Amino acid sequence: GQNIDQPTEMTATEGAIVQINCTYQTSGFNGLFWYQQHAGEAPTFLSYNVLDGLEEKGRFSSFLSRSKGYSYLLLKELQMKDSASYLCAPSGSARQLTFGSGTQLTVLP
Amino acid sequence: GAVVSQHPSWVICKSGTSVKIECRSLDFQATTMFWYRQFPKQSLMLMATSNEGSKATYEQGVEKDKFLINHASLTLSTLTVTSAHPEDSSFYICSARRQISNQPQHFGDGTRLSIL
Repeated sequence: GQNIDQPTEMTATEGAIVQINCTYQTSGFNGLFWYQQHAGEAPTFLSYNVLDGLEEKGRFSSFLSRSKGYSYLLLKELQMKDSASYLCAPSGSARQLTFGSGTQLTVLP
Repeated sequence: GAVVSQHPSWVICKSGTSVKIECRSLDFQATTMFWYRQFPKQSLMLMATSNEGSKATYEQGVEKDKFLINHASLTLSTLTVTSAHPEDSSFYICSARRQISNQPQHFGDGTRLSIL
């Protein structure tokens, strides 16, 4: 099975940087995805890591350490529209995704 | 633009009704699609993996006779909630992934189901 742990809530100020951590335990590993989900909407893809290290994509970066079962999502230059739930999702041996409970990020003006 | 289309977006119906939700991959073939359910303020829970041309694989605790999945073509999977009851009210979301390795799952816009 899979066990995913990420903070329930985080608050940050517009323009700041925030790091959302995720630890996971999984049987079979085919990479880790981060998704953003606004209330009442479906998730949208943000990033994918399969090798250790940092993947940068504009204001968003994601890091993976497979040996530690650890990932983080880094959001820079926060904007109000970044207020959303951020979902950490490791991909299992059958390429299915298991989602954590998500981190609700609130960006304050 | 959207790569996965889900229909309908909203369904409100009486208890005992069966509801069919469609999920289409728009510009790629998807031999595998996934169906999730999400209750308010909870995480997405994988219900089943839909396999083209074969039976779906259901997660533990999901009744396959209640949630019928048909994946009759490479671009279409359907989920039918049979004899729906108020406790089935939820947000149902499908996803599909290109078969190329390392491609992310793309989600449909979801279907909000309300059973009265």
